[in-house]
Amino acid sequence: ELKVEQNPLFLSMQEGKNYTIYCNYSTTSDRLYWYRQDPGKSLESLFVLLSNGAVKQEGRLMASLDTKARLSTLHITAAVHDLSATYFCAVDILPPNNDMRFGAGTRLTVKP
Amino acid sequence: NAGVTQTPKFQVLKTGQSMTLQCAQDMNHEYMSWYRQDPGMGLRLIHYSVGAGITDQGEVPNGYNVSRSTTEDFPLRLLSAAPSQTSVYFCASSYGRTTEAFFGQGTRLTVV
Repeated sequence: ELKVEQNPLFLSMQEGKNYTIYCNYSTTSDRLYWYRQDPGKSLESLFVLLSNGAVKQEGRLMASLDTKARLSTLHITAAVHDLSATYFCAVDILPPNNDMRFGAGTRLTVKP
Repeated sequence: NAGVTQTPKFQVLKTGQSMTLQCAQDMNHEYMSWYRQDPGMGLRLIHYSVGAGITDQGEVPNGYNVSRSTTEDFPLRLLSAAPSQTSVYFCASSYGRTTEAFFGQGTRLTVV
């Protein structure tokens, strides 16, 4: 069965600290996406990772992809309150299945 | 630039009723998709389209129909609503399958 597992599911951290969110998946894919969702809002695209070893950074967030380990990480550096949101990873399942599977999300709360 | 527009934002249906959720994008994107979001489960792909006249099923297509007669519009039809279809529905579009996706604001559907 195709699975996309994120951990942790809930993360409370203090401002200024670093942390990593993990996204493991159970099928072959070299396409992985990270999204952010604020409460009651829509999803915003953060990163598109399309190859093994891909690394992308935007502000305090950095995402990477290891297709051999079937693992993507979202690293948060020196967290600030504005980063509080739910973060989802999504794996593009290649033909013949042609699907997009999301993780359950990591709810991040950054406290002062 | 409106982006991805979904209507309605909220809807209450009685079991057995039918309705259409509308989705329109003005970015000339070829790829469009519908997801449902249930608490604690992330998003699940219902149907997607790679261009006008071409649609395919995602992970949870049962109970839903789609069509894509134009590049701009991708409506989702519920033929006979069931309580299990109570969810938040998101439409998304992207230039291609592996590019950044833009999401609509969502439709919160309750079936009683």
